[in-house]
Amino acid sequence: SQQGEEDPQALSIQEGENATMNCSYKTSINNLQWYRQNSGRGLVHLILIRSNEREKHSGRLRVTLDTSKKSSSLLITASRAADTASYFCATDTGSSNTGKLIFGQGTTLQVKP
Amino acid sequence: DAGITQSPRHKVTETGTPVTLRCHQTENHRYMYWYRQDPGHGLRLIHYSYGVKDTDKGEVSDGYSVSRSKTEDFLLTLESATSSQTSVYFCAISEGFSYNEQFFGPGTRLTVL
Repeated sequence: SQQGEEDPQALSIQEGENATMNCSYKTSINNLQWYRQNSGRGLVHLILIRSNEREKHSGRLRVTLDTSKKSSSLLITASRAADTASYFCATDTGSSNTGKLIFGQGTTLQVKP
Repeated sequence: DAGITQSPRHKVTETGTPVTLRCHQTENHRYMYWYRQDPGHGLRLIHYSYGVKDTDKGEVSDGYSVSRSKTEDFLLTLESATSSQTSVYFCAISEGFSYNEQFFGPGTRLTVL
């Protein structure tokens, strides 16, 4: 089964609203990453948070990590139509120095203009 | 975009035929990965490579083989394609050690009839 599981599976909001996506995982991690995938394209890295970090910001993105609950959240503030995409969390368990990631199934975000 | 290309971008083939997908990078990254993406499963790792001629299995390696004879090329072969291998295949690269992001190619859509 997947290490990371996103919630909700789908989210539809109006432009200007905030979007929050959650990710839960099962084993201890070295870091957790969030990726975006536009329809028909490859994944693009958004942000990485290390296991010893609790919060990280990048522009309109805010990521939190709670290792005690094995969960992370991605907040996109003041959403835009261009944010419409699928968002994936990916965990690096650090079990080997290979950079291998385990991806969740993703949250599909639709931002209506 | 990171210098990653995949070929072909689309392929339709018949059950039982061999298929080879190519991933080419110009970033000189050590690590390369092959994933498949299917609805309801997210991205799953097929094989990865940690150097020339050094490869290892991922989560869903059955029915697939890989080769890496040069740093820049990572080939994925389906020895005898089956309909269950109909999917979108993504190649990714990274510098490989922890706290590194992965860069993804544009994907190959493979249909096995």
